[in-house]
Amino acid sequence: GENVEQHPSTLSVQEGDSAVIKCTYSDSASNYFPWYKQELGKGPQLIIDIRSNVGEKKDQRIAVTLNKTAKHFSLHITETQPEDSAVYFCAARVPLQKLVFGTGTRLLVSP
Amino acid sequence: GAGVSQSPSNKVTEKGKDVELRCDPISGHTALYWYRQRLGQGLEFLIYFQGNSAPDKSGLPSDRFSAERTGESVSTLTIQRTQQEDSAVYLCASSLTGGRPDTQYFGPGTRLTVL
Repeated sequence: GENVEQHPSTLSVQEGDSAVIKCTYSDSASNYFPWYKQELGKGPQLIIDIRSNVGEKKDQRIAVTLNKTAKHFSLHITETQPEDSAVYFCAARVPLQKLVFGTGTRLLVSP
Repeated sequence: GAGVSQSPSNKVTEKGKDVELRCDPISGHTALYWYRQRLGQGLEFLIYFQGNSAPDKSGLPSDRFSAERTGESVSTLTIQRTQQEDSAVYLCASSLTGGRPDTQYFGPGTRLTVL
């Protein structure tokens, strides 16, 4: 089955810097790659997703890139703010199968 | 509109007792998912419902775990004879169809502590 690896496990940046979180997946049939943000004591919330027919997608300060050949995708957050501090999860899904999540990245943005 | 709701938000129980966790999905969502999240770890898939049937229950860790869903509405996750290793946050999510890559919306979770 699908396996997703996520790095780094923790990431500390200064406010205003950029943050990059990387994930790799194992099953080349995966075609859907969402990213979730989980704040303390809350459930994960979708922040952006990308499908395999697209190489990059942006939404204000957040962007996701997908390299199908290498089977990896990344989350980029620019101009980080303290409220970006949270745990971020990537995930991948093979059609008609369950969503498989990475192990999470704890992002800390210091003022 | 209303999101996914879960109850209780916190549950403390003694080892060996049974517990029931409830999930109310977003109205109209046909797909419902249960996940387990141990402290500081990722999301572990437990079971998926399409309507009131469960085509994928491969993540249930043992026969002490069971779940049911009433129509395309509320779902209950039951853990019998709880063990300390069952302590975790149990998250529920729902999505519109489940058959295509559609967004899963998560509830706030139930934090289960087994003493």
